[in-house]
Amino acid sequence: EPEVTQTPSHQVTQMGQEVILRCVPISNHLYFYWYRQILGQKVEFLVSFYNNEISEKSEIFDDQFSVERPDGSNFTLKIRSTKLEDSAMYFCASSTGSGEKLFFGSGTQLSVL
Amino acid sequence: GEDVEQSLFLSVREGDSSVINCTYTDSSSTYLYWYKQEPGAGLQLLTYIFSNMDMKQDQRLTVLLNKKDKHLSLRIADTQTGDSAIYFCAESSSGGSYIPTFGRGTSLIVHP
Repeated sequence: EPEVTQTPSHQVTQMGQEVILRCVPISNHLYFYWYRQILGQKVEFLVSFYNNEISEKSEIFDDQFSVERPDGSNFTLKIRSTKLEDSAMYFCASSTGSGEKLFFGSGTQLSVL
Repeated sequence: GEDVEQSLFLSVREGDSSVINCTYTDSSSTYLYWYKQEPGAGLQLLTYIFSNMDMKQDQRLTVLLNKKDKHLSLRIADTQTGDSAIYFCAESSSGGSYIPTFGRGTSLIVHP
């Protein structure tokens, strides 16, 4: 069965550093998403991406965040200057239509020290 | 904004039925979902229900929707140890471009 792949599975970084989280969505999917889950809290929507541009974003997705689909297969989330409160599990997902059955990756656990 | 609430833990004995409950606030919710997350894996869509339905059954899974009370439940019949996982309730509506809003997840622990 096709799957969404995320790398790395764990990322440790120093506060203020830039991180890039990588995702390979399912190849025929058109919509791409990032969610995150801070330990013990809800899975929160960050951003959705369609047709090479952001289609929706939440209040969390501020100027420190950016997304890119650099080469037609990867979908990346960049955090420019990480804060302690960015520590969370970050999930990538993809779907054929907006909000239709989302397929999730297994997540990247980001720890900001 | 939209909110989805669910209890954090549920413990059941193998062979019993499990009922995981969820409440949501968005009265315009169109789709309501149950996702399952096994250890080390991503969220996997288990089942979903349209807001104009009140029940959906799929093998051991039964979803009940009370739209008036904005209450969704997932019943797992004959719960097995392999059902141990985190179950996420989610809702979506046209106002949010049908992008799911998730709850915190309920950890289901099945013991022998």
